Amino acid sequence: SYELTQAPSVSVSPGQTARITCSGDALSKQYAYWYRQKPGQAPVLVIFKDSERPSGIPERISGSSSGTTATLTISGVQAEDEADYYCQSADSSGTSYVLFGGGTKLTVL
Amino acid sequence: QITLKESGPTLVKPTQTLTLTCTFSGFSLSTNGVGVGWIRQPPGKALEWLALIHWDDDKYYSPSLKSRLTITKDTSKNQVVLRMTNMDPVDTATYYCAHSLYRLLLGNWFDPWGQGTLVTVSS
Repeated sequence: SYELTQAPSVSVSPGQTARITCSGDALSKQYAYWYRQKPGQAPVLVIFKDSERPSGIPERISGSSSGTTATLTISGVQAEDEADYYCQSADSSGTSYVLFGGGTKLTVL
Repeated sequence: QITLKESGPTLVKPTQTLTLTCTFSGFSLSTNGVGVGWIRQPPGKALEWLALIHWDDDKYYSPSLKSRLTITKDTSKNQVVLRMTNMDPVDTATYYCAHSLYRLLLGNWFDPWGQGTLVTVSS
């Protein structure tokens, strides 16, 4: 079974760029998906298929993937970006088996 | 507009069976490539995928919880039901259902999610 590893926390000042990484063998074969979760709210999809943005997600949120690491990048960080971010991919059992990372808390200083 | 809402008991006793219902609108679970998944989140902890049902009635379960889970759909009622047996206090969590899309070689992703329902397991 695969695992997806995320750093527990990332801190940046407003206006800076935040990079949140997700590592795991699954990512060398499967796409990465990213969700943002603000306190008391349900998760929201912000990136699918490694780098695609759903409608309504600003261009300053982007995704990339190389080898076994996927990266979520938030440029020009704003206070409203403070949230937990989770990566998701497929497990080794097959593409319909879902795997989540442990989540990264983004703090805007 | 796609919406989903979870319903079920807020409190269950240890060893009991939890039954949660996801009632949705804005899509059909008979459409190719569409599914509904269940994901839970213990207080202050990470998301954990539980189960997924596809348009063709294929079902997928978390390997670690497979023996305790059953997912079913009622397409005519626009509902998906999750049953989890032998509940334990460690199963206390917010349980979410979510609309899923599946594409060959892309896997599954969830968008949007329901608001979630907090289930507490305690005697």
